[in-house]
Amino acid sequence: DADVTQTPRNRITKTGKRIMLECSQTKGHDRMYWYRQDPGLGLRLIYYSFDVKDINKGEISDGYSVSRQAQAKFSLSLESAIPNQTALYFCATSDTTGYGNQPQHFGDGTRLSIL
Amino acid sequence: SQQGEEDPQALSIQEGENATMNCSYKTSINNLQWYRQNSGRGLVHLILIRSNEREKHSGRLRVTLDTSKKSSSLLITASRAADTASYFCATAPLGSSNTGKLIFGQGTTLQVKP
Repeated sequence: DADVTQTPRNRITKTGKRIMLECSQTKGHDRMYWYRQDPGLGLRLIYYSFDVKDINKGEISDGYSVSRQAQAKFSLSLESAIPNQTALYFCATSDTTGYGNQPQHFGDGTRLSIL
Repeated sequence: SQQGEEDPQALSIQEGENATMNCSYKTSINNLQWYRQNSGRGLVHLILIRSNEREKHSGRLRVTLDTSKKSSSLLITASRAADTASYFCATAPLGSSNTGKLIFGQGTTLQVKP
């Protein structure tokens, strides 16, 4: 089984719909992240969380919300989807042990299309 | 805003040749990391180089870091068709170790022809 699992893998929906993307991990990491990837723009950070009680906005949080239901689960919601939120979304985790910023471990992504 | 700028954006080589990708960044860093992304998959961590290191090796990968020029390079030696992927540099900005945040570049797409 994958260490970081994202569901669904693909989703097509309509403008104005509420969408939830889910992420679960078995790595036991405290830190979790949500990114979106657009062609030519690399990955941009949407939200990140250190633990269940700690949620932080990233670079592009407008139009998104998150919920950290447990150490292992971090979900991303689009309250009212719009077409420019069409992108590939990634969840990632990292450890807090050791020195400095640790490597991040990624899920295989959710490809979201909003019509 | 993007921290890393990668060059070239795309690279096509023959199997057996070496591939070099470059990354430039803007602010001081704790470390710099390289990731690979195969088509349709998530990013996979390849190698991490700390700000006080100049060179690091891992198998066929060689990474250099020049903090005075704010640049890094990834060299893949004796490339294989399986190395075909996108490669991203990610910087850990100085002072961000308590957040674990990374800032990713736009990536270099590498095609290795058999």
